[in-house]
Amino acid sequence: GAVVSQHPSRVICKSGTSVKIECRSLDFQATTMFWYRQFPKQSLMLMATSNEGSKATYEQGVEKDKFLINHASLTLSTLTVTSAHPEDSSFYICSARTGGKGETQYFGPGTRLLVL
Amino acid sequence: DAKTTQPTSMDCAEGRAANLPCNHSTISGNEYVYWYRQIHSQGPQYIIHGLKNNETNEMASLIITEDRKSSTLILPHATLRDTAVYYCIVRPPLLMNRDDKIIFGKGTRLHILP
Repeated sequence: GAVVSQHPSRVICKSGTSVKIECRSLDFQATTMFWYRQFPKQSLMLMATSNEGSKATYEQGVEKDKFLINHASLTLSTLTVTSAHPEDSSFYICSARTGGKGETQYFGPGTRLLVL
Repeated sequence: DAKTTQPTSMDCAEGRAANLPCNHSTISGNEYVYWYRQIHSQGPQYIIHGLKNNETNEMASLIITEDRKSSTLILPHATLRDTAVYYCIVRPPLLMNRDDKIIFGKGTRLHILP
């Protein structure tokens, strides 16, 4: 299947700092990418939908000023966690949708964020 | 999207076929059945999807009942590496709605026993 990468795979930061996570579709162009968050022993929770060249659409309860999403190209979307706090510690997973016939959605390996 | 119901957990002996059921009694005529799995500390992995015909690929088989109200994912020869949470999702074809998104339920935690 199609490959989606994320960088970094894990990051530790101090409270109050900002962290940027990159999501790339390696072998296809993705007009739509998604960002999910997963807490321990829970299912994935959709945070926002990112469309190339336009503003992201956030799910209810997700602060758009805290979780900044940029989808500047068809192969790259970034999520910036601003002024991170310990409660933002989580597993962040991006996903990208392929195009054309047989279109489906593939997921990145995830980024584990720990805020101290 | 139609709601799905899956057992919370299942066990299967290594080497045996693992059969994971999913109920989707409110599925609409144009909605597909998708299966993903998530191995611990990894992102979800696409497995297979289908509309009404049974489907098979190198990973698994998908059996959809004639009334489409339920389906079964079959891993023909389970290995320890198949231990994961398996998610059954129903949704319209992606091409029909570009704003459509995958919402995950709780899935089935499959334990493959040595």
